[in-house]
Amino acid sequence: DSGVTQTPKHLITATGQRVTLRCSPRSGDLSVYWYQQSLDQGLQFLIQYYNGEERAKGNILERFSAQQFPDLHSELNLSSLELGDSALYFCASSVIRGSSEAFFGQGTRLTVV
Amino acid sequence: DQQVKQNSPSLSVQEGRISILNCDYTNSMFDYFLWYKKYPAEGPTFLISISSIKDKNEDGRFTVFLNKSAKHLSLHIVPSQPGDSAVYFCAAGTNFGNEKLTFGTGTRLTIIP
Repeated sequence: DSGVTQTPKHLITATGQRVTLRCSPRSGDLSVYWYQQSLDQGLQFLIQYYNGEERAKGNILERFSAQQFPDLHSELNLSSLELGDSALYFCASSVIRGSSEAFFGQGTRLTVV
Repeated sequence: DQQVKQNSPSLSVQEGRISILNCDYTNSMFDYFLWYKKYPAEGPTFLISISSIKDKNEDGRFTVFLNKSAKHLSLHIVPSQPGDSAVYFCAAGTNFGNEKLTFGTGTRLTIIP
């Protein structure tokens, strides 16, 4: 158990819909990262938050947004969903900025039908 | 632009033999490198890391080698065990500036009993 909790584990929704994925980082971790893993693809970095502020942005679509709340949990919002958004979405957390090791949650498997 | 590349999607190794997983990178700004292991339906788990000031780091059966001039790193597992069967991701990051990890596409390692 990495200590990072992601909910829900599975999500099936229709095209055009909007979903919210939730992540609770390890206790004390200030940095939260979101990654997307599509079929046979590596982990694509989406976005990072540190102590409530956006720190780095990757290949995140404009239809996607995220935030980190005062209690340090984070939410990833995906809207106007398309079939191609079907993927595993992972959240990871680390203690400090630039920490070399990030701990991953079990992921949310999103299926868009 | 895939800055971290794992050119072998899969690898099969006999139990007890050495497993060698390879990774190449293009960004010379990367100054630390990690290997993650992923089982199905689980998030990636940290395995071993190496800083760019070293060329070798060892942890039990796992050794990571870094060749900065060739922008290449490898993970050696000796001896290989059936429980090592998983997908292995190579990742790279920088201690300053962008703090996200950039992942390769993964290599599926199968240990044959």
